[in-house]
Amino acid sequence: DQQVKQNSPSLSVQEGRISILNCDYTNSMFDYFLWYKKYPAEGPTFLISISSIKDKNEDGRFTVFLNKSAKHLSLHIVPSQPGDSAVYFCAADYNAGNMLTFGGGTRLMVKP
Amino acid sequence: DVKVTQSSRYLVKRTGEKVFLECVQDMDHENMFWYRQDPGLGLRLIYFSYDVKMKEKGDIPEGYSVSREKKERFSLILESASTNQTSMYLCASSSMLPGLAGGPSEQYFGPGTRLTVT
Repeated sequence: DQQVKQNSPSLSVQEGRISILNCDYTNSMFDYFLWYKKYPAEGPTFLISISSIKDKNEDGRFTVFLNKSAKHLSLHIVPSQPGDSAVYFCAADYNAGNMLTFGGGTRLMVKP
Repeated sequence: DVKVTQSSRYLVKRTGEKVFLECVQDMDHENMFWYRQDPGLGLRLIYFSYDVKMKEKGDIPEGYSVSREKKERFSLILESASTNQTSMYLCASSSMLPGLAGGPSEQYFGPGTRLTVT
């Protein structure tokens, strides 16, 4: 059973609008969460992360929100740009163990 | 700039063949990983190595083995390839030092090898 789930396989957004990508997890031991972005024919690259002691982390246009009670995190991209079109994976870790558990990914398409 | 390279971008093998996937990193990272990526399932960890000759099983090690004889090189071996091992294989490396806010160190990925087993 998948411990980290991204229930939306794809999302389409107009350029300039907000993109919201969601991720749910089941293992309450997870204490660190990350988002990776993947372009076709390239490996994933790290985007942003959040520790479980926080509920929000911001980096430029990207903000990650964590709701521990709901075991839910989301990635907000504002404003969305065509170059943001990619597959986004959320991942979780516990105790800095380095063995990340990834979700299934969400393909974001930002239309000009 | 961290560079993780994988020996092949595309590979086609026959059922029963022994397959070697090679990964090399140039950042002197202690940790190296092999994942497979399948649609809807995301990335699943096959094996993890935290030092030369050291390895730990990930979530799906069955049918795979690994070798790490040198710090910069991590090999994934399919002893007898089967059609259900057709997938995208991704290698990654990371430092043993903690990352931001005490979390895991950032993993740097190679471009992947798309393996087809016929």
